[in-house]
Amino acid sequence: DAKTTQPPSMDCAEGRAANLPCNHSTISGNEYVYWYRQIHSQGPQYIIHGLKNNETNEMASLIITEDRKSSTLILPHATLRDTAVYYCIVRVAFYNQGGKLIFGQGTELSVKP
Amino acid sequence: SQTIHQWPATLVQPVGSPLSLECTVEGTSNPNLYWYRQAAGRGLQLLFYSVGIGQISSEVPQNLSASRPQDRQFILSSKKLLLSDSGFYLCAWSVTRGSGNTIYFGEGSWLTVV
Repeated sequence: DAKTTQPPSMDCAEGRAANLPCNHSTISGNEYVYWYRQIHSQGPQYIIHGLKNNETNEMASLIITEDRKSSTLILPHATLRDTAVYYCIVRVAFYNQGGKLIFGQGTELSVKP
Repeated sequence: SQTIHQWPATLVQPVGSPLSLECTVEGTSNPNLYWYRQAAGRGLQLLFYSVGIGQISSEVPQNLSASRPQDRQFILSSKKLLLSDSGFYLCAWSVTRGSGNTIYFGEGSWLTVV
């Protein structure tokens, strides 16, 4: 699975959009981009994933560049409860094809009032 | 809807004692099951995964073992705990279908070995 690079920490004002970047320059054509977050002392929570098209759900939007070498997770209106560590992961979809979920160090997002 | 239950939530065990963490998934059949560990201040490390009953793959050599006696039950065990086994243990599941094969996590178990 390809490696990802994320800034170690970011701040965001409450009510503003939080834009979390991720670089994955060695991503393969069959690898998806996944985002999870982990609030302290809890299990990671799935947020969103995509292959090449932009995706949106009730939690966030995922913008993937045309060359797929980077992506951005957007939380449109950040709240204090969005304070967490955000993980960007690239992996093959199917586990029997080696699609393991490997977590790096992530970005620690602090939403401030 | 699918749910995952993991217990106990916290435990403190002496060095050399045995360990058993249990995980069950409801609302799905034939899930892929995983055990992860997160040491303090570090990312998650995959310990074991299983694609079916009795089928266990180990990712790292260690003092732990896993078993899957039933389709939706996954157990993490140790015969003799070490201090280095302390950490946050997470059970997770996924279903191989469609695109994505998203993995979902339980709430975790905090293990402190003293």
